[in-house]
Amino acid sequence: GAVVSQHPSWVICKSGTSVKIECRSLDFQATTMFWYRQFPKQSLMLMATSNEGSKATYEQGVEKDKFLINHASLTLSTLTVTSAHPEDSSFYICSAILAGATDLWDTQYFGPGTRLTVL
Amino acid sequence: ELKVEQNPLFLSMQEGKNYTIYCNYSTTSDRLYWYRQDPGKSLESLFVLLSNGAVKQEGRLMASLDTKARLSTLHITAAVHDLSATYFCAVEETSGSRLTFGEGTQLTVNP
Repeated sequence: GAVVSQHPSWVICKSGTSVKIECRSLDFQATTMFWYRQFPKQSLMLMATSNEGSKATYEQGVEKDKFLINHASLTLSTLTVTSAHPEDSSFYICSAILAGATDLWDTQYFGPGTRLTVL
Repeated sequence: ELKVEQNPLFLSMQEGKNYTIYCNYSTTSDRLYWYRQDPGKSLESLFVLLSNGAVKQEGRLMASLDTKARLSTLHITAAVHDLSATYFCAVEETSGSRLTFGEGTQLTVNP
């Protein structure tokens, strides 16, 4: 089956530093990837839609200059949290959509998540 | 703006009992997903419901969709401890678009 990986699985960083999280589709190509954020005991909130070769589309309230997304290839999207602060501590989950798919129902695959802790 | 609401948010039940989790959503959609999340883990896909009246069952879990009422249910039959997890419903507003998640129902099954 289709597999999506995330790296790192967890990261601890100091306030003010930047952290890059990778989302890879291991055995399929993905023109679209979604980035979600989940605070403890809360639901998943969509942050942005990442499209290969074009600019990401950010949800309302998500700072595009703080959360930089790069989808440079059909198998890799990266989320960089710039100048991270403790309030950015969260569980970040990506999902990848099979290239060419018109429906989500059998073509969206979630990564295992990255837990970010900012001290 | 699409809103997805789950009820209850917390559910503690005894093994062997039955219960239903409800998922209401605010706009027209015929695609609804149920996921399971264990602590510290990502999402595990349980069901996708694609049309009005759709019913799917897997083991002790059964999901249904009523698009006219904008309601989906996840029914748990004879609960076992291994079902303890957080369950999310998610609605796809238009075909191929992103998902909007409910708040999640944290289920604890006690021996």
